Amino acid sequence: DTGVSQDPRHKITKRGQNVTFRCDPISEHNRLYWYRQTLGQGPEFLTYFQNEAQLEKSRLLSDRFSAERPKGSFSTLEIQRTEQGDSAMYLCASSLAFGGRKNTEAFFGQGTRLTVV
Amino acid sequence: AQKITQTQPGMFVQEKEAVTLDCTYDTSDQSYGLFWYKQPSSGEMIFLIYQGSYDEQNATEGRYSLNFQKARKSANLVISASQLGDSAMYFCAMRRPSGGYNKLIFGAGTRLAVHP
Repeated sequence: DTGVSQDPRHKITKRGQNVTFRCDPISEHNRLYWYRQTLGQGPEFLTYFQNEAQLEKSRLLSDRFSAERPKGSFSTLEIQRTEQGDSAMYLCASSLAFGGRKNTEAFFGQGTRLTVV
Repeated sequence: AQKITQTQPGMFVQEKEAVTLDCTYDTSDQSYGLFWYKQPSSGEMIFLIYQGSYDEQNATEGRYSLNFQKARKSANLVISASQLGDSAMYFCAMRRPSGGYNKLIFGAGTRLAVHP
């Protein structure tokens, strides 16, 4: 059983460039989440997919951000026209929709650390 | 508004001793779940333990136990017999309702250092 995989692990980009991150969830998990974690803080929820449907978006997710999960498997998070304030760790997580209580916790990937210079 | 408060930015403990990491929460919901996650320097958030708001007994998972005091709205993590590998950031988080999807609200975390 492989865990949640994120790619790339690190990304340095110039302000104004577009970046795209990929997340591969645990294969049988139908729920997928994106979180953002800035230095010294806990993760903050960005968005949630059940299968291919994006069911909730945080107001943190500005118009420059877009997330997709086209076939209900992997997901991508794109940031357009990056700003220095976008520098953060972007964490992906997945979980089951149903099952025993312990099966519904979120399993996180190792994150993509974005630095905007 | 829902909020998680972790008042200890850093804690240290001697190897093999027990340590308690504090977490208080604020919600008006009756149904909620409380989680503790560990984040080592590699960045991955590792699930440790879960407590549902309707659970009458405190949760335990190996060396981890959750001291749940509902009236005080606290959910402290107790790590027994600390090991060097326990050195990491620890985050308390809340999910509403308890059986809902994982839109988690996290605290700011506590950095634990285990000394030999």
